[in-house]
Amino acid sequence: EAGVTQFPSHSVIEKGQTVTLRCDPISGHDNLYWYRRVMGKEIKFLLHFVKESKQDESGMPNNRFLAERTGGTYSTLKVQPAELEDSGVYFCASSQAVGYGNTIYFGEGSWLTVV
Amino acid sequence: AQKITQTQPGMFVQEKEAVTLDCTYDTSDPSYGLFWYKQPSSGEMIFLIYQGSYDQQNATEGRYSLNFQKARKSANLVISASQLGDSAMYFCAIKRGATNKLIFGTGTLLAVQP
Repeated sequence: EAGVTQFPSHSVIEKGQTVTLRCDPISGHDNLYWYRRVMGKEIKFLLHFVKESKQDESGMPNNRFLAERTGGTYSTLKVQPAELEDSGVYFCASSQAVGYGNTIYFGEGSWLTVV
Repeated sequence: AQKITQTQPGMFVQEKEAVTLDCTYDTSDPSYGLFWYKQPSSGEMIFLIYQGSYDQQNATEGRYSLNFQKARKSANLVISASQLGDSAMYFCAIKRGATNKLIFGTGTLLAVQP
């Protein structure tokens, strides 16, 4: 069974450009999450989808970030326009259900460098 | 608010020895879960072990075990018989029982020496 897959694995863009990150969750997982780790900081929650609906987007830093999950399958996270402080690793994760005892599986991350 | 503290930024261990990675947490929720993830140089976050706040026994998964001391709010990861492939960043995380939002610690970088 395939795990959580993310694309691209690495991206280098100039300040002001747009980048779109894609995540394919584990098949059958309704719950999809985005996290990120900027240099030297903790891994921080960005948002949580249940199928195609945004369950919790309290961690989204500002309106330059837009996440979508059309059809409840894969998700995209767009950063427009990118700023230098957006550099870091963006992790996608998925789980079958929510709550006590449910394991969350992460992908390999998309490493974003804004120059 | 929930918080995870990992006080060891880096650790060394000799191959085949056991090592304990510390994790303390702070939460007021009665129901919560504690996770450990491994991040090797390849970047992937690999799930290692889970401990629920109501679990009576310490979790174990192969060479990984979790020393869960609820009264002290600690959830230390014990890796037995360390292998070179265990060299990686290790993250402790907590989530509330009703949600799947993880709060991570800053991580511990483990280096296994031959």
